[in-house]
Formats: sequence, structure tokens, C-alpha cells
Amino acid sequence: GAGVSQTPSNKVTEKGKYVELRCDPISGHTALYWYRQSLGQGPEFLIYFQGTGAADDSGLPNDRFFAVRPEGSVSTLKIQRTERGDSAVYLCASSTQHGANYGYTFGSGTRLTVV
Amino acid sequence: KQEVTQIPAALSVPEGENLVLNCSFTDSAIYNLQWFRQDPGKGLTSLLLIQSSQREQTSGRLNASLDKSSGRSTLYIAASQPGDSATYLCAKKEGAGSYQLTFGKGTKLSVIP
Repeated sequence: GAGVSQTPSNKVTEKGKYVELRCDPISGHTALYWYRQSLGQGPEFLIYFQGTGAADDSGLPNDRFFAVRPEGSVSTLKIQRTERGDSAVYLCASSTQHGANYGYTFGSGTRLTVV
Repeated sequence: KQEVTQIPAALSVPEGENLVLNCSFTDSAIYNLQWFRQDPGKGLTSLLLIQSSQREQTSGRLNASLDKSSGRSTLYIAASQPGDSATYLCAKKEGAGSYQLTFGKGTKLSVIP
């Protein structure tokens, strides 16, 4: 597609539930990133995919968070046993070659609210 | 730990004014620096990307500069308009093989008609 698409745009869930957030990157972009932005803060890195593999998941806060990209295109961020502190905007970005020349293109994000 | 600081946190100017947003970083290792715009409840829109070998980039009324030695970047907006109202974020990429961006908290700009 023309841009990075994220669905849903908003998600409200109850504490303890499981959620999946989807990211559809720009066609041909091999690199895909997930960031989390809490209120009043800048985005913080969660995980990076190069192709199908997670090259770096050091930003995932704990083992409740997991992400996949099985075919090297669409990625899903999965959060188990959600907590109120997980409430944030989850941003996905894609790029070519680690954004070396053209930077990163971000999606509009998924606003997750855990009640 | 790398830190990126943006000052001021918020700025309000009358329409038509020229303004400068500041971004500073503690680690001089930098590959490129990117400025983004974020509208309320929205994602990030890339504005300008400056490679470490460059000193500035221009796009329309926007001009971004980079001074590696002082660890600073500025975003200059000429003839501000109400439609420029948004939060502006800078993000640093440390090295060619690095893929993480380190963001500042942003400057919230309000342009008053």
C-alpha cells in the first residue's frame, strides 16, 4: 500500500484480556518496527523485524508481549493478560535498510486503553 | 543511555511568526536525525531527514539543521500558520547498522490566528 496501515485505530479492553494489534507495512519494506508511546512521551522502541525474523526484541517490556511477522510483510503485536499500564499508542514503522537513506514511515498507530 | 531533549515542551506563537524548535542529544555518535510531526491522536509524519554528513535540509517553509559537534538540531518554521499547530518530535539514529530511533518528548506548537 501507499503507507503503513495499522488496525484497529482504537482498542478498549478489560484488564487481563488478550489483544492483537496489526501492522501492514509499505510494500517492499523489509524492515518493520514497533514503538510504544505513552502520554506526553516520545515513542520508545519495542521490537525490530528484518524480514520474517525478530532481529531485536530487547525493547519488549516483559514476556506478556510478543510479535510475529510470519511472511515478512504484515506483523502482529500480541499482548497477553493486559494491564492498565499497557495503555498507550502502539506505533508501527517500516523502512528499507534500517532507514539509512529514506528514514522511517510510521503508521497512525493503535490507541490501546486497558480498563 | 542516549538522551534526546526537546526544549521548550510547549510553544505558542501568533500566526506569521518565524520560529525555531530545538533538539539536543547527549551522544555525539549520530547517523541521521529525523524530524516528525504528530497531530493529536495521530501517528507520526516525517518532515525532514538529515544525514550526519549534512548540515541542513529544507522543505518548503521548513529548514532543519544539524550540528554534531554541539549535539544539536533545530527545526526552523517560516511564516507560521494555524495548520502548523502540532507536536514536533526529533529522533536520532545512532549508526548505520543501528535501527532504533531515540526520540525526544516533543515540542507542542500552537499557532494562534
